[in-house]
Amino acid sequence: AQSVTQLGSHVSVSEGALVLLRCNYSSSVPPYLFWYVQYPNQGLQLLLKYTTGATLVKGINGFEAEFKKSETSFHLTKPSAHMSDAAEYFCAVSDRGSQGNLIFGKGTKLSVKP
Amino acid sequence: DTAVSQTPKYLVTQMGNDKSIKCEQNLGHDTMYWYKQDSKKFLKIMFSYNNKELIINETVPNRFSPKSPDKAHLNLHINSLELGDSAVYFCASSQAGSYEQYFGPGTRLTVT
Repeated sequence: AQSVTQLGSHVSVSEGALVLLRCNYSSSVPPYLFWYVQYPNQGLQLLLKYTTGATLVKGINGFEAEFKKSETSFHLTKPSAHMSDAAEYFCAVSDRGSQGNLIFGKGTKLSVKP
Repeated sequence: DTAVSQTPKYLVTQMGNDKSIKCEQNLGHDTMYWYKQDSKKFLKIMFSYNNKELIINETVPNRFSPKSPDKAHLNLHINSLELGDSAVYFCASSQAGSYEQYFGPGTRLTVT
């Protein structure tokens, strides 16, 4: 069965600092990979996705992630954190069968200090 | 226009009651989903449904049942509510083959 591990339930950075949120997956077949963001009391918004092709994918709000098959990782980065980036971030993999159900990691709460 | 909408946004009810949460999508997608987010923010798939197939997560109690009156709607019915059902429930939709899901704003269910 597929699973997703997000290292660090809470990450705190200073405004302007690099953001790095870690995600590793387990799957016998490279899955589709996603990062979602959830702002307080809101639904989930897709940040970026990897399906096929270029392994470095760019998303909204200046975020990007790199798919590394050898490391089974899909870490999320942003060069310079902004106060508005404070939110909960979820990494997810899609089961390519079963109508593409998403399997989520447990989430990482990002705090940004002034 | 809201792509995926849910009603109500908040639902407070007592144990033993039966309640429904409605979901509508105007994206023309053919697959819809229900997810449950618990108090620790963990998200778990409950159901996925298109006009051909309903897939139920085996851990979901049979008190929960999805009902789809048409392609744009997937409602969630819950019978005999229990305290442990308190959570935020998210509806989502996608187009077949895309695997990119669009989420609704969530319904916070509180069972007292």
